[in-house]
Amino acid sequence: ETGVTQSPTHLIKTRGQQVTLRCSSQSGHNTVSWYQQALGQGPQFIFQYYREEENGRGNFPPRFSGLQFPNYSSELNVNALELDDSALYLCASSSRQDNSPLHFGNGTRLTVT
Amino acid sequence: AQSVTQLDSQVPVFEEAPVELRCNYSSSVSVYLFWYVQYPNQGLQLLLKYLSGSTLVKGINGFEAEFNKSQTSFHLRKPSVHISDTAEYFCAVSSGGGSYIPTFGRGTSLIVHP
Repeated sequence: ETGVTQSPTHLIKTRGQQVTLRCSSQSGHNTVSWYQQALGQGPQFIFQYYREEENGRGNFPPRFSGLQFPNYSSELNVNALELDDSALYLCASSSRQDNSPLHFGNGTRLTVT
Repeated sequence: AQSVTQLDSQVPVFEEAPVELRCNYSSSVSVYLFWYVQYPNQGLQLLLKYLSGSTLVKGINGFEAEFNKSQTSFHLRKPSVHISDTAEYFCAVSSGGGSYIPTFGRGTSLIVHP
C-alpha cells in the first residue's frame, strides 16, 4: 500500500511569487484535502477535492487554488505569496465517508521571504 | 458548526508516569472523533478513532481514549509514557450528515522527561 507523498519537502519563495505543491494520494483513496499548519498551531482546512471538483473550502482567499487529477493526485497553488503564507502544507487522502480517517503526507515546508 | 478545544497547550510528564490529554468538542449532530500524533518534521498519524459503539477506544502505542457524550469530551490517556511519546497530539472531530471535513484542535505538546 503506497502512502501519501508530497513534493517538494522544502521550498523558499519570495513575497509576490507563485508556488505549486504536489500530492499523490494513498492507493484506493478518492478524496484529497489540503491543510495549512502554522508553527505551533493545528492544521487549518484549506479545501477538499473529490472527483476532480472542489468539495469544501475553509477560510482562505481565492489566491489559494487547487486541482485534482483523474488518478486522484492533487496540486495546491498559491498566488501572490505573502509572508504569512509561511507554513507546513499538509495533504491528506481519504475515502469519501464521514468516519474515514485522514492519511497525511509529511508535508511541504514553505518559507516566504 | 463543529469545533474542538484542547485544554492544555503543553503537558510535561516524567517517563513511566500516566498522562491524560484533554479534548472537548462541540457539534450539532452526531460526531466521529479522532486523535492524531505528529512527530517532528512529519505529517499527522492516526492514533485512534471513535465512530460508534463502546465508548472506550484503544489505539496504537498503548494509547486509549474515552468518549463522554454528556461532557462532550474525548480525552486521551496512556498509563505509562515513554520518551518516544514526546510529540504533538491533535484531537479532531468530524460531524455526520454529509460533512467529510474534520476540524482539528490547536494541539497539545506532550513532553516526556527522563
